[in-house]
Amino acid sequence: GAGVSQSPRYKVAKRGQDVALRCDPISGHVSLFWYQQALGQGPEFLTYFQNEAQLDKSGLPSDRFFAERPEGSVSTLKIQRTQQEDSAVYLCASSPTRRDQPQHFGDGTRLSIL
Amino acid sequence: AQTVTQSQPEMSVQEAETVTLSCTYDTSESDYYLFWYKQPPSRQMILVIRQEAYKQQNATENRFSVNFQKAAKSFSLKISDSQLGDAAMYFCAYRRGLTDKLIFGTGTRLQVFP
Repeated sequence: GAGVSQSPRYKVAKRGQDVALRCDPISGHVSLFWYQQALGQGPEFLTYFQNEAQLDKSGLPSDRFFAERPEGSVSTLKIQRTQQEDSAVYLCASSPTRRDQPQHFGDGTRLSIL
Repeated sequence: AQTVTQSQPEMSVQEAETVTLSCTYDTSESDYYLFWYKQPPSRQMILVIRQEAYKQQNATENRFSVNFQKAAKSFSLKISDSQLGDAAMYFCAYRRGLTDKLIFGTGTRLQVFP
């Protein structure tokens, strides 16, 4: 596609429910990133994939957060047993192989936990 | 650990005037990249300009330019001939050369008045 696509755009869930957020990167982009952006803050890194390999998950806040990219393209961020502090915008970004290329961001998913 | 600081939560400018947004960062690395991203209410992060640390020449993109002071670890963004469409959140970001995750500042909200 022309850009990074994220779905859903908005997600409302009750505390304790599991949610899954989808990211479809730009075709051919090897690297994929997830960021969490709390209200009024800058995005914070969650995890990084190179193709299907998850090379860095140091930013995942707890073991309730899980990300996968099984075929090296579409990625899913799953949050189990959601809590109110998980409410945020989740941004996905992708970039090509070359190190000097910038990341291209999607529109994000706004997650609200009631 | 690398950090990025934006000390101006809000700035305002008159249309057609010039405004400068400040950013400082802390790193012990010599190989890195710096970026300014714009985030309108649509939430998508849009790359405005980038600077490679090894380049002494300040980057310029049309009405946008940076003042990169490597020794002072300062990276300010100058917007000339401001337009109403420039109104948005602006985030300064750092990327270490060997890894690709972005570290963001807390952002500056820019208002443009007609």
